[in-house]
Amino acid sequence: GQNIDQPTEMTATEGAIVQINCTYQTSGFNGLFWYQQHAGEAPTFLSYNVLDGLEEKGRFSSFLSRSKGYSYLLLKELQMKDSASYLCAVRRDDSWGKLQFGAGTQVVVTP
Amino acid sequence: DTEVTQTPKHLVMGMTNKKSLKCEQHMGHRAMYWYKQKAKKPPELMFVYSYEKLSINESVPSRFSPECPNSSLLNLHLHALQPEDSALYLCASSQDRPSKSYEQYFGPGTRLTVT
Repeated sequence: GQNIDQPTEMTATEGAIVQINCTYQTSGFNGLFWYQQHAGEAPTFLSYNVLDGLEEKGRFSSFLSRSKGYSYLLLKELQMKDSASYLCAVRRDDSWGKLQFGAGTQVVVTP
Repeated sequence: DTEVTQTPKHLVMGMTNKKSLKCEQHMGHRAMYWYKQKAKKPPELMFVYSYEKLSINESVPSRFSPECPNSSLLNLHLHALQPEDSALYLCASSQDRPSKSYEQYFGPGTRLTVT
């Protein structure tokens, strides 16, 4: 099985930086995804890490350390529209590679 | 076209009704998924179809019956549901089997209420 932990909620000011941590314990690991989900909407893909290191994509960056079972999503220059839930999802290292989602971190951006 | 569409957007049904949820994608993806998501919870995988064959059934009760008529369509037939089945039902697709390095594209979901 897998345990995936992320903070429940984070609040930050417009223009600031927020880092959402995700720790996981898994019997098999084949990559980690970050998704953004606005209330009542579908999750949208943000990033994918399978090797250690930092992946940068515009204002969003994602980091992975496989030895530590740790990832973070960094949101820079926060905008009001970034208020959403951010889901960390681990793909299992089996023939089907199912995704296991964390409970999500609700980010609230204030003016 | 990078869109997964789902119909209906909202559905209210009684416990004795039979209804179906529909999902469609035209990205040429060969894997399609059904997830169930309760409020403030993460999506939970229900079924995976890979190359139009049911590959994964996460011990879902038989009152949920999936169907994949072709590579672009995925249905979820509902019968004799319980109030606790009320949730957001998300469809997703990916280019290939979930074990490959492809992200899943999600549809907007169907908000189901069972009365």
